[in-house]
Amino acid sequence: DAGVIQSPRHEVTEMGQEVTLRCKPISGHNSLFWYRQTMMRGLELLIYFNNNVPIDDSGMPEDRFSAKMPNASFSTLKIQPSEPRDSAVYFCASSSGTSGGAINEQFFGPGTRLTVL
Amino acid sequence: GQSLEQPSEVTAVEGAIVQINCTYQTSGFYGLSWYQQHDGGAPTFLSYNALDGLEETGRFSSFLSRSDSYGYLLLQELQMKDSASYFCARPVRIHGSGNTGKLIFGQGTTLQVKP
Repeated sequence: DAGVIQSPRHEVTEMGQEVTLRCKPISGHNSLFWYRQTMMRGLELLIYFNNNVPIDDSGMPEDRFSAKMPNASFSTLKIQPSEPRDSAVYFCASSSGTSGGAINEQFFGPGTRLTVL
Repeated sequence: GQSLEQPSEVTAVEGAIVQINCTYQTSGFYGLSWYQQHDGGAPTFLSYNALDGLEETGRFSSFLSRSDSYGYLLLQELQMKDSASYFCARPVRIHGSGNTGKLIFGQGTTLQVKP
């Protein structure tokens, strides 16, 4: 398996522009997670989906952020309009299982390093 | 009551043993996971303790004491490649839904292994 795939790996944009991050989870995994990582705030969960349905978006910073999962193999995280404080590494992760250890093992993608100028 | 506390930095020499501690709040507790992240890389899963006691995987071991709200990651025979950040994480229980797979991460401990 190719693992979790994210694109782009790097994104540099100007303040006010729309940014779309993409994620393909591991085939067969039923949960998908979007995280943001910065030096100041560490690793923060933004939103997660179970069976393509958003379960908890309490970590989404504000209305400028939105996420979708139209099918089991694809998810997007959109920032519109982007701001310099959104600069961070954004990780997508997926997991399988409904109980036991499997549900707690998340497989992370390589991340998208976003820089908003 | 969902925070996890771990030291920000630990330094050790090659071949040594190092222990990274993690303390947490106890509400809705399901167990404790550990992840490793090399600089510029993605977090990777190391271990999960569902019950009290020690879990061993090669040079790495993880321990949990739910009564003490405490766990640790033990790294033995340290190698230079073990220099990385280590995160403890706990599953979050949602009322009526049990363990959802959602994880809350600690701030991470940066381990520096010196020759």
